[in-house]
Amino acid sequence: GNSVTQMEGPVTLSEEAFLTINCTYTATGYPSLFWYVQYPGEGLQLLLKATKADDKGSNKGFEATYRKETTSFHLEKGSVQVSDSAVYFCALRPTTTGWGKLQFGAGTQVVVTP
Amino acid sequence: DAGITQSPRHKVTETGTPVTLRCHQTENHRYMYWYRQDPGHGLRLIHYSYGVKDTDKGEVSDGYSVSRSKTEDFLLTLESATSSQTSVYFCAISEVGDREATYGYTFGSGTRLTVV
Repeated sequence: GNSVTQMEGPVTLSEEAFLTINCTYTATGYPSLFWYVQYPGEGLQLLLKATKADDKGSNKGFEATYRKETTSFHLEKGSVQVSDSAVYFCALRPTTTGWGKLQFGAGTQVVVTP
Repeated sequence: DAGITQSPRHKVTETGTPVTLRCHQTENHRYMYWYRQDPGHGLRLIHYSYGVKDTDKGEVSDGYSVSRSKTEDFLLTLESATSSQTSVYFCAISEVGDREATYGYTFGSGTRLTVV
């Protein structure tokens, strides 16, 4: 079946550090891939997405590239801010017929200190 | 986002009592979803709806039922609440369905439910 695996958190880093959150997936066909962010006390917000191999999604300084050969969609940001402290979820949406629902990884908490 | 509202935001209830959570949208989206969020599990789909009176089960539907009598409202009911249903519940909406996999969902702010 389809699944998403993320690196466990919490990830703690200093302001202006480089952030990488690993995400790998298992899916049949060619799923669409997403990163969602959840700030404390809020719902999930779409951060970026990629819908086919080698696509790069980007938003708010974050980037992720759809790598079909490694079934990965790692999230990166070159210089984090305290305001980036949140939980980040990797998700996929299958393209095969039938079960096309969003499926999420377990989430990775990121804590950025001043 | 004002387009999707969940109520209540917080609730404490006793084991064995029925509980209903409400999701209200103003976007006129056809598809609505209920998820629960638990540490280490991410979000897991409980039930979803693909139109008025059209609903189906997700991966963790036991102990839950849903109803959708109007496009804008999607209700989640815990028939007899148990401590294992203590969780944060999120509603989500989508303009398009399963075949449009390039679209994501829009989420509400969540309901924190505690069953004591």
